[in-house]
Amino acid sequence: AQTVTQSQPEMSVQEAETVTLSCTYDTSESDYYLFWYKQPPSRQMILVIRQEAYKQQNATENRFSVNFQKAAKSFSLKISDSQLGDAAMYFCAYEWDSGYALNFGKGTSLLVTP
Amino acid sequence: GAVVSQHPSRVICKSGTSVKIECRSLDFQATTMFWYRQFPKQSLMLMATSNEGSKATYEQGVEKDKFLINHASLTLSTLTVTSAHPEDSSFYICSARDPWAGGPGETQYFGPGTRLLVL
Repeated sequence: AQTVTQSQPEMSVQEAETVTLSCTYDTSESDYYLFWYKQPPSRQMILVIRQEAYKQQNATENRFSVNFQKAAKSFSLKISDSQLGDAAMYFCAYEWDSGYALNFGKGTSLLVTP
Repeated sequence: GAVVSQHPSRVICKSGTSVKIECRSLDFQATTMFWYRQFPKQSLMLMATSNEGSKATYEQGVEKDKFLINHASLTLSTLTVTSAHPEDSSFYICSARDPWAGGPGETQYFGPGTRLLVL
């Protein structure tokens, strides 16, 4: 079974600074997909960024980027120029195939201070 | 982007009653929908996978007789919590997959969730 581990229950960052959220996973598959989701207080799940395992290039979406280390099974999220609106729970997730559900980590609560 | 709705957004019921939660894909047909449960300050835990026209596949530890899932059409899946008890109080989230959106790894579209409180 695939497991996703987020070892940081809480993180704090000052506005305009950079923060990195960690995620590791365990799988025996060679092709899979990794995601970071944001869950604000409204609890609506919002996709932040997606990475295909077969792609060596790290995904980026504006201020959000990932450091994908396939051999180490590590998938960290870097948020640059943090904004107050970035405060939320962040979940790392793994997907093997489209017929399967997402497997989520326990989440990291991100606090952004002025 | 694709929209998934859930109804109701929040519901309070008495212990022993049943509650039905609807999950609809508004602008696409979803062959597969997923139901998750999220307790406060915890992660999303998959309850079951719902495929249109067939029986749902439940995760280990989820009582299929208690959490009835019906995926009767390509745009609607329902979760019925039967004989609800206070320990069933939780946040229930559905997600739907658009088979035309692309290959594996394409986004699952999440509903806004339903907050259930059983008194």
